[in-house]
Amino acid sequence: KAGVTQTPRYLIKTRGQQVTLSCSPISGHRSVSWYQQTPGQGLQFLFEYFSETQRNKGNFPGRFSGRQFSNSRSEMNVSTLELGDSALYLCASSPEGARDTEAFFGQGTRLTVV
Amino acid sequence: AQRVTQPEKLLSVFKGAPVELKCNYSYSGSPELFWYVQYSRQRLQLLLRHISRESIKGFTADLNKGETSFHLKKPFAQEEDSAMYYCALRTGGGNKLTFGTGTQLKVEL
Repeated sequence: KAGVTQTPRYLIKTRGQQVTLSCSPISGHRSVSWYQQTPGQGLQFLFEYFSETQRNKGNFPGRFSGRQFSNSRSEMNVSTLELGDSALYLCASSPEGARDTEAFFGQGTRLTVV
Repeated sequence: AQRVTQPEKLLSVFKGAPVELKCNYSYSGSPELFWYVQYSRQRLQLLLRHISRESIKGFTADLNKGETSFHLKKPFAQEEDSAMYYCALRTGGGNKLTFGTGTQLKVEL
């Protein structure tokens, strides 16, 4: 079974630009979550999508947005990039049903804003 | 609001010594707690979850609701246990995880 795939693996963008990151979940998983990982703040939850609807949202500004397609693939977009947006962005997919559901993580996309 | 605290950024032990990675949580509801591990150059992966009360790679963790803790323990550390360990709390509906800041475990020979 293929794991969670994130593309691209690395990105360098200029302040003020926008960026789109992609995540393909494990086949059959309908829940996709996004996290930002930085040395200072650790892992912080951005949002979760389930069946094309945002189900949970973290405390990030509106510049961070996402969407999910009918095949469960998800994208997140960051507009008007700031230097502080430099981070590793992780995507996780989960099956539905069990109370102690495991999250399966991708390798992440390393975003550098210059 | 929910919160997960891992007080140690780095824990260094000798091979064969006992290990305890601390995790405390703050949540008014019924908690679902997990330990995730990230080995060098690998993706973040589940180590264990409190509901199944399992032992994985010799690690165990017991949920103590009175002390709001979910410490990770192993009686004898191995070199391959060196990794970054994250305690995580799942709350509400859905799969939102609140992570602690992580503890880097270093097992020395």
